[in-house]
Amino acid sequence: SQQGEEDPQALSIQEGENATMNCSYKTSINNLQWYRQNSGRGLVHLILIRSNEREKHSGRLRVTLDTSKKSSSLLITASRAADTASYFCATAVPFAGGTSYGKLTFGQGTILTVHP
Amino acid sequence: NAGVMQNPRHLVRRRGQEARLRCSPMKGHSHVYWYRQLPEEGLKFMVYLQKENIIDESGMPKERFSAEFPKEGPSILRIQQVVRGDSAAYFCASSPPIEGMNTQYFGPGTRLTVL
Repeated sequence: SQQGEEDPQALSIQEGENATMNCSYKTSINNLQWYRQNSGRGLVHLILIRSNEREKHSGRLRVTLDTSKKSSSLLITASRAADTASYFCATAVPFAGGTSYGKLTFGQGTILTVHP
Repeated sequence: NAGVMQNPRHLVRRRGQEARLRCSPMKGHSHVYWYRQLPEEGLKFMVYLQKENIIDESGMPKERFSAEFPKEGPSILRIQQVVRGDSAAYFCASSPPIEGMNTQYFGPGTRLTVL
């Protein structure tokens, strides 16, 4: 299995409910990022959490990171129909040579459907 | 500040033809990444470039694929002699030259269809 696996693969909820998606990874990371992708579109960056952070908030989004378990979760509160999209976690691993820049390794994504 | 721009948005090629995908990073960004997304899958890293340099091409097939990011102009991902398996969405991302800041901003992608 690959770095950055999301769980569940698909999630269907009603508007107003909370949505929780989980991500697990395998190697040490610099940071972990969450992206959203609407069908047939590009990726939109949602939030970045560094390896020394445990929790981060941005609007209706809450991200947690547990480096001991190599896992992260994304919580979307009070979901809206417009939140319907695929959500990907991506881990940044430094390149050889010590630079902080890292290629992103994406999971397969969670397809979230929010019903009006 | 315009976002990452990619063109064309859709590209159709017959087997054996060449595909050239272009990416203009955000203003001030000197780091460019290319990713490929197959249907129903996540993105897979292909190559990371800085101006005039390939930093990491570990995700790029050894044959038929090449990438460049010249001093002037957009980054180009070139696929020679395309095959049906090359059909995918190709995304470009850019990031600023700030140490430790790895947020990557993605373009809308180029959807390549090989007939």
